[in-house]
Amino acid sequence: QSALTQPASVSGSPGQSITISCTGTSSDVGGYVYVSWYQQHSGKAPKLIISEVSNRPSGVSDRFSGSKSGNTASLTISGLQAEDEADYYCNSYTSSNSWVFGGGTKLTVL
Amino acid sequence: EVQLVESGGGLVQPGGSLKLSCAASGFTFSDSAMHWVRQASGKGLEWVGRIRSRSNNYATAYAASVRGRFTFSRDDSKKTAYLQMNGLKTEDTAVYYCTIMRASVGFDFWGPGTLVTVSS
Repeated sequence: QSALTQPASVSGSPGQSITISCTGTSSDVGGYVYVSWYQQHSGKAPKLIISEVSNRPSGVSDRFSGSKSGNTASLTISGLQAEDEADYYCNSYTSSNSWVFGGGTKLTVL
Repeated sequence: EVQLVESGGGLVQPGGSLKLSCAASGFTFSDSAMHWVRQASGKGLEWVGRIRSRSNNYATAYAASVRGRFTFSRDDSKKTAYLQMNGLKTEDTAVYYCTIMRASVGFDFWGPGTLVTVSS
């Protein structure tokens, strides 16, 4: 199972919005609603910020939102803040009864 | 409060073996599938696999990169999951996390991870 495709890096200024894409196939992202997103600060364990394409767990800021179209899922962060600077990973269930992560995207807040 | 704590990491030679543990608390361990995810230094996350609950016959699934070398098990009485790693390769060097899906279909709780280094 190949990793989902994410841009290696994105950047934005405080207050701006950014979108991170996550491209898979019809056997993973395109075939299931089980797409999730994780935020990982350096040296820390990942934190779930979006589950099932667009659901925000309790306690996660509403500045984070998720969507999906075809084989591509997207994470949008609005009103960028310095604390949002981190690595972001998407994840999807697959037709092989397994889970696959994206390669990760490093977000820099300028 | 849900807690997951991995242990058992360390330095091992190529071809060697190591057994990781994941001690759980704060939820009904026996009803939960336990997943393992690893991350090499400076690299991305990789799903290693999972073991389901007793009601799901303790079914296991493995990533292709570890199938045949790694084995999952669990002791529900001790609320602990295990990852037996045999035939270790240098590319298995990583921080290993255990994680669960509790409130949604997403890995919503993670342990702090344990570092496995495979080197001669």
